[in-house]
Amino acid sequence: ETGVTQTPRHLVMGMTNKKSLKCEQHLGHNAMYWYKQSAKKPLELMFVYNFKEQTENNSVPSRFSPECPNSSHLFLHLHTLQPEDSALYLCASSQGTSDTGELFFGEGSRLTVL
Amino acid sequence: GQNIDQPTEMTATEGAIVQINCTYQTSGFNGLFWYQQHAGEAPTFLSYNVLDGLEEKGRFSSFLSRSKGYSYLLLKELQMKDSASYLCAVRDGDYKLSFGAGTTVTVRA
Repeated sequence: ETGVTQTPRHLVMGMTNKKSLKCEQHLGHNAMYWYKQSAKKPLELMFVYNFKEQTENNSVPSRFSPECPNSSHLFLHLHTLQPEDSALYLCASSQGTSDTGELFFGEGSRLTVL
Repeated sequence: GQNIDQPTEMTATEGAIVQINCTYQTSGFNGLFWYQQHAGEAPTFLSYNVLDGLEEKGRFSSFLSRSKGYSYLLLKELQMKDSASYLCAVRDGDYKLSFGAGTTVTVRA
């Protein structure tokens, strides 16, 4: 239990579907992140939110739309995805640069796009 | 851009020592992290280096040389449960972490 909870853990969707991934952190952190993890590739940073404000958008296609209603919740809205978007999507949180400022990850949402 | 390199796979025997190297070329540097990720699980934090030298934490140690853009993670007295992927990551600002592709370590009996 890392204090970061992601739902659903597994998702299968067609290319025309609309779905959302949810992340909740119970650690009181001020920053939240979405990462994409594909096999044999480095984790790719997608979005960063700091105090609910988006501070990073790493050239992510518009078919991925993040939402951060408060500092504890983060969503990733998915629309008209492609098969190459199939991957593990990891949410993480951190407390700025206090101490080490390490990331705490959720267990991920495994997405399959048919 | 960021470039973080580490070996893809390593195999070692239970009770042995394994050293995972990581080299990096990044636009900035504000700390280097090592994470462990078991299959199907979340990455978990192992170590943090921001100054040159060795940080020891039980069976795991991490070393950093900023001038060489180099780090290693040393795993001693290997146990079967240490079979996992080990991720090297560099923070180049306040929040952004860039990761290597990970090193899969297999521990054999």
